Amino acid sequence: DSGVTQTPKHLITATGQRVTLRCSPRSGDLSVYWYQQSLDQGLQFLIQYYNGEERAKGNILERFSAQQFPDLHSELNLSSLELGDSALYFCASSSQADLYNEQFFGPGTRLTVL
Amino acid sequence: AQKITQTQPGMFVQEKEAVTLDCTYDTSDQSYGLFWYKQPSSGEMIFLIYQGSYDEQNATEGRYSLNFQKARKSANLVISASQLGDSAMYFCAMKGRGATNKLIFGTGTLLAVQP
Repeated sequence: DSGVTQTPKHLITATGQRVTLRCSPRSGDLSVYWYQQSLDQGLQFLIQYYNGEERAKGNILERFSAQQFPDLHSELNLSSLELGDSALYFCASSSQADLYNEQFFGPGTRLTVL
Repeated sequence: AQKITQTQPGMFVQEKEAVTLDCTYDTSDQSYGLFWYKQPSSGEMIFLIYQGSYDEQNATEGRYSLNFQKARKSANLVISASQLGDSAMYFCAMKGRGATNKLIFGTGTLLAVQP
C-alpha cells in the first residue's frame, strides 16, 4: 500500500459526460501528479500540483482540468468524454517538488467510456 | 527532449534464475533520476528502485539492483532469484531537473516467470 488513495476504482460512463476523479496523497506529501495510461499512448504525464498551485502541464487536453485543495487532495475533471478517453488514470504523490523524490502511485481509476 | 527506451516487449525467465530488463535513456540534463516501477496484472504501480545520475554506486533494494552505466546511458534492472510473483509489467522512467518533475516512462517489458 503506497498510502495514496484514489476514488473511484472503476468508472463507466457515456460519451459526452463529465466525471471527477479524486486523489488523496500520502500524508505530508505536497506534490500531486496525474498520469494517464492507455494502450495506444502508454503512460503519460498530465499535470502536477504542488501545495495547491499548478506546477507543470503535460499532454493534458483542454477538456480536462485539475485542482489541488487546501487539504492537499486533488481532483481531475474530465468533460465531454470521448471513447478515446478510456484509460487508467493514476495519481502519484511525492514529498517535495524536487529531483530525487520518488513518486508513489495510487491504485488508479479505470475509466471506461461507452 | 528526454526519452526512455525499453526494447524488450516481453521476456520469460525460469523461477529462481536472474533476469535483466533493459533500459536506455536520452537526456541533455546533467542531473536526473532513474526509476523502475512494477505493474502487476491488478494494475497498481509499485516503486522498486531509484538511481541518481551522480550516484557512484549502483542502487540495490533486496532482490532488485540497477546496473547503471552512465556513459552508455543505460539503467538496466536486474532481478535476482526470480519468483512467480515477479510476473508483471516493468517500467523504466526518468525525471530530469527543470520546471517539471514529471516522470517520462518507457513502453514497458512484460516479464513472465515460469515454474
